[in-house]
Amino acid sequence: DQQVKQNSPSLSVQEGRISILNCDYTNSMFDYFLWYKKYPAEGPTFLISISSIKDKNEDGRFTVFLNKSAKHLSLHIVPSQPGDSAVYFCAASTNTGNQFYFGTGTSLTVIP
Amino acid sequence: DTGVSQDPRHKITKRGQNVTFRCDPISEHNRLYWYRQTLGQGPEFLTYFQNEAQLEKSRLLSDRFSAERPKGSFSTLEIQRTEQGDSAMYLCASRTGATNEKLFFGSGTQLSVL
Repeated sequence: DQQVKQNSPSLSVQEGRISILNCDYTNSMFDYFLWYKKYPAEGPTFLISISSIKDKNEDGRFTVFLNKSAKHLSLHIVPSQPGDSAVYFCAASTNTGNQFYFGTGTSLTVIP
Repeated sequence: DTGVSQDPRHKITKRGQNVTFRCDPISEHNRLYWYRQTLGQGPEFLTYFQNEAQLEKSRLLSDRFSAERPKGSFSTLEIQRTEQGDSAMYLCASRTGATNEKLFFGSGTQLSVL
């Protein structure tokens, strides 16, 4: 039962352009959402998060948008850089729970 | 703050052998998690500790798997009678108990069962 879904396994973008990674969830109780970045043979590293009381959170080149009615969030990277090439995981949790649920990841390749 | 530390980074074992992994969380973090990740999948929850108490276990955690966190500090994950299907990256993460606090992951232990 995959409660967090990333339907695009891979994405290729030219350097300098915008990368948009998408994530859908099914559990309406989720109220905290995170994006992690992962390089091969390394653990995931935190990128950016958003709570359900907001619809947008920005940190430098990274912006996360949350659409609660659609149960959808997206990560925008502008401008994309070759060093952004990695696998990106979306994750979600509830305020009262302790589990974090992860999507299957999107592999981003930024082409120089 | 040295981050979450996992040991070993890599482990190759033969089917049927027992293996044990160690995780040292960030010192002020009272919550500790174990996840498993296979190729093409996201991290899958295995178990969770609050201090020394193991509060949640996934149904993925068969009776061959056991985890401990004595004294609420480091944690160990043991797999008995390993099977080829146990081959995966085992990730440890920790966080504080604050609301909306993110998980901090270690570098993982890559297990290969031959």
